[in-house]
Amino acid sequence: DVKVTQSSRYLVKRTGEKVFLECVQDMDHENMFWYRQDPGLGLRLIYFSYDVKMKEKGDIPEGYSVSREKKERFSLILESASTNQTSMYLCAIQRGGAAGNSYEQYFGPGTRLTVT
Amino acid sequence: LAKTTQPISMDSYEGQEVNITCSHNNIATNDYITWYQQFPSQGPRFIIQGYKTKVTNEVASLFIPADRKSSTLSLPRVSLSDTAVYYCLVVDQPGTYKYIFGTGTRLKVLA
Repeated sequence: DVKVTQSSRYLVKRTGEKVFLECVQDMDHENMFWYRQDPGLGLRLIYFSYDVKMKEKGDIPEGYSVSREKKERFSLILESASTNQTSMYLCAIQRGGAAGNSYEQYFGPGTRLTVT
Repeated sequence: LAKTTQPISMDSYEGQEVNITCSHNNIATNDYITWYQQFPSQGPRFIIQGYKTKVTNEVASLFIPADRKSSTLSLPRVSLSDTAVYYCLVVDQPGTYKYIFGTGTRLKVLA
């Protein structure tokens, strides 16, 4: 059974704090993704990584950075949290290979972040 | 930029067949169209994907016309446990991982 775990289910932070969200997988998949999900906007891609130390921006990278030092871990960092970053954050993994192959992603349970 | 459009919500009764359509323009000609299901407080779960015509698995069918400007997810004989949000996913740029999720269709199955 695929396991994608996220460090917290719920998190409350203050404006200006640095926030770390961690995602860990046990499937040895190359590709890892961070999305945020907001009512009426669906899922939007923040960043993805296709290998250790490799990353690419998604649609909404502003205000976020990522780190992938080990294959199984992908961290999302909010350098200075703001109230408009209050959201549900979802991590996903996908088997590697040429893009255009299967788009079957496995998602973690999500972290609901509230910035006050 | 690829864009998808889905109905916001749908209601159905148990035992009925449900069809959810996603309109998508500017998608690559040889990339998958993929559908996900999401229950409250969970991450999305892969349901089905296809390139063209019809794909069927144990959960659903996916119909894709030749012009690939839309796709229809078909759920046969829904039950209360199929109440969820359903998303279509397409690729914005061929050969990349820049995925575009639709805004989702909230399906409510009534007894």
